[in-house]
Amino acid sequence: AQSVAQPEDQVNVAEGNPLTVKCTYSVSGNPYLFWYVQYPNRGLQFLLKYITGDNLVKGSYGFEAEFNKSQTSFHLKKPSALVSDSALYFCAVRDLTGANNLFFGTGTRLTVIP
Amino acid sequence: NAGVTQTPKFQVLKTGQSMTLQCAQDMNHEYMSWYRQDPGMGLRLIHYSVGAGITDQGEVPNGYNVSRSTTEDFPLRLLSAAPSQTSVYFCASSRDRGSSNSPLHFGNGTRLTVT
Repeated sequence: AQSVAQPEDQVNVAEGNPLTVKCTYSVSGNPYLFWYVQYPNRGLQFLLKYITGDNLVKGSYGFEAEFNKSQTSFHLKKPSALVSDSALYFCAVRDLTGANNLFFGTGTRLTVIP
Repeated sequence: NAGVTQTPKFQVLKTGQSMTLQCAQDMNHEYMSWYRQDPGMGLRLIHYSVGAGITDQGEVPNGYNVSRSTTEDFPLRLLSAAPSQTSVYFCASSRDRGSSNSPLHFGNGTRLTVT
């Protein structure tokens, strides 16, 4: 079965510094990986996805993610953090055995300190 | 274009009561699903549907029923509410059942408390 793990519950970073939110995956076959962001009292919003191709995927709001097959990782990155990036971030993997359901990690709360 | 609309936003139930959480989408999406979000556990899939008339169970289906009589609507029914069902519930949809590329579109959630 497919699964993802987010090893950090909380990440703090100073405004203007680069940020990384970590995700590792476990899949049988080629992974289909996603990042979502959740702002307070809102549903999740799609940021970016990796299906195939380049290992560096660019997404919304200046975010990008690096797919690393040997380390089974899909870390979310941004070169310069904004206070408005403070939110809850979820990594997810597509289940390819059924109806293409998404399975989510436990989430990482990012706080950008002014 | 409203996207995915969930009602109500908040609900308090007593143990044993039943209720229906409504979800509607106006994007003509084939796939719809229900998740619950609990602290430290992320989102867990309750039920999903790949088209009108077709539903199936996710990871945590016990205590919940769904139906999909139209493409637009996918209500979630709590048959006899229990305190363990206190959670935030999200409905999500995506374009087509067979595409691995389609991202999920989420509603803004229903916060349910069972006392």
